[in-house]
Amino acid sequence: DARVTQTPRHKVTEMGQEVTMRCQPILGHNTVFWYRQTMMQGLELLAYFRNRAPLDDSGMPKDRFSAEMPDATLATLKIQPSEPRDSAVYFCASGSLAGGPQETQYFGPGTRLLVL
Amino acid sequence: AQSVSQHNHHVILSEAASLELGCNYSYGGTVNLFWYVQYPGQHLQLLLKYFSGDPLVKGIKGFEAEFIKSKFSFNLRKPSVQWSDTAEYFCAVTPYNTDKLIFGTGTRLQVFP
Repeated sequence: DARVTQTPRHKVTEMGQEVTMRCQPILGHNTVFWYRQTMMQGLELLAYFRNRAPLDDSGMPKDRFSAEMPDATLATLKIQPSEPRDSAVYFCASGSLAGGPQETQYFGPGTRLLVL
Repeated sequence: AQSVSQHNHHVILSEAASLELGCNYSYGGTVNLFWYVQYPGQHLQLLLKYFSGDPLVKGIKGFEAEFIKSKFSFNLRKPSVQWSDTAEYFCAVTPYNTDKLIFGTGTRLQVFP
């Protein structure tokens, strides 16, 4: 049963610290998405990659957030420096075009981040 | 801007009651449509999806949804809910020529025994 994995599952840190979240997409999936979920804003798309290339990061605060895909099996989302307003659940999702535009995204378990 | 509306923010039902959750989207072209469920403390799981063909789509756990193009709607239904259906339900849309999933704000369903 292929799944998206995310680490860590929970992270508590202090304001100003760097936070790195990792995602392992489903093997063979060529698209990776990062979402943030908060009570106030709901689910927001932060950034996504296809074939490891960033396609859209318009939803991401550029000054402190960065997303990368060092290889096809790893996507990272970094926050530096972190702020209390970054507290949220961060979900990674992966998908595969499977030869057409019909894509289904499969979500990981999320990283629950609390910045004090 | 493209958007997805879920007008029911919080629904409370007793077990065995029927369920219908509304979802409307604003986009004039072809869309792919999804319903995801998020159980308490868990990640989003795909319930069902519509790409083309029969507008009545059956998903997991007895859920179904009907795509009505003229109404820009994709309502989720279940004839008889169970306590285990307590969760948050998200409708999402991908315009056909884009990659982005646009989520609704979610509907919180509570089912009491």
